[in-house]
Amino acid sequence: DIQMTQSPSSLSASVGDRVTITCRASQSISSYLSWYQQKPGKAPKLLIYAASTLQSGVPSRFSGSGSGTDFTLTISSLQPEDFATYYCQQSYSTPRTFGQGTKVEIK
Amino acid sequence: EVQLVESGGGLIQPGGSLRLSCAASGFTVSSNYMSWVRQAPGKGLEWVSVIYSGGSTYYADSVKGRFTISRDRSKNTLYLQMNSLRAEDTAVYYCAREKYPYAFDIWGQGTMVTVSS
Repeated sequence: DIQMTQSPSSLSASVGDRVTITCRASQSISSYLSWYQQKPGKAPKLLIYAASTLQSGVPSRFSGSGSGTDFTLTISSLQPEDFATYYCQQSYSTPRTFGQGTKVEIK
Repeated sequence: EVQLVESGGGLIQPGGSLRLSCAASGFTVSSNYMSWVRQAPGKGLEWVSVIYSGGSTYYADSVKGRFTISRDRSKNTLYLQMNSLRAEDTAVYYCAREKYPYAFDIWGQGTMVTVSS
């Protein structure tokens, strides 16, 4: 199975900050990498797929990059509604696997 | 509107069985890859099972031999039959559509399964 490791596990940031979350795969997954946002009590929401493609309706302050084993999710200017937990997920092979999550909290 | 609506969760004793349903609208379940993903209380996301459009099925090792994924074309509904339930199966269960390049683009609201005596 492919292991996905996110860092950091949590971070504190202020509105307007630039935030970067990294995700590392235990083997190459090409660009088969997605990012999700989850708020308490809600289902995850797809933000980015194919490592860097923004899902329809997602604000342009979210961006993704990377290929192979190393990936990054960047929020260019953190907004109040962005405080949530973020997960990466590989779809290169089955079983699909998720990172452990990164909780973005208000500083 | 494209949406998924799960049902069937509840409190069940260890060793018991439960069947979850996921009704789709706005698209055809049998034409898509459909998965179940679960989330234990306070924990991260764990993929459970997938059924491909061609009918092939796959399971996480943690549920293999106990859970069965299936679909009903006439009802446009996805199912998860869960047998021999254990305390560690306690979680919110989500169904999700997997769209090429295999991202989970549509999620249900989730249904809670609690395994406890």
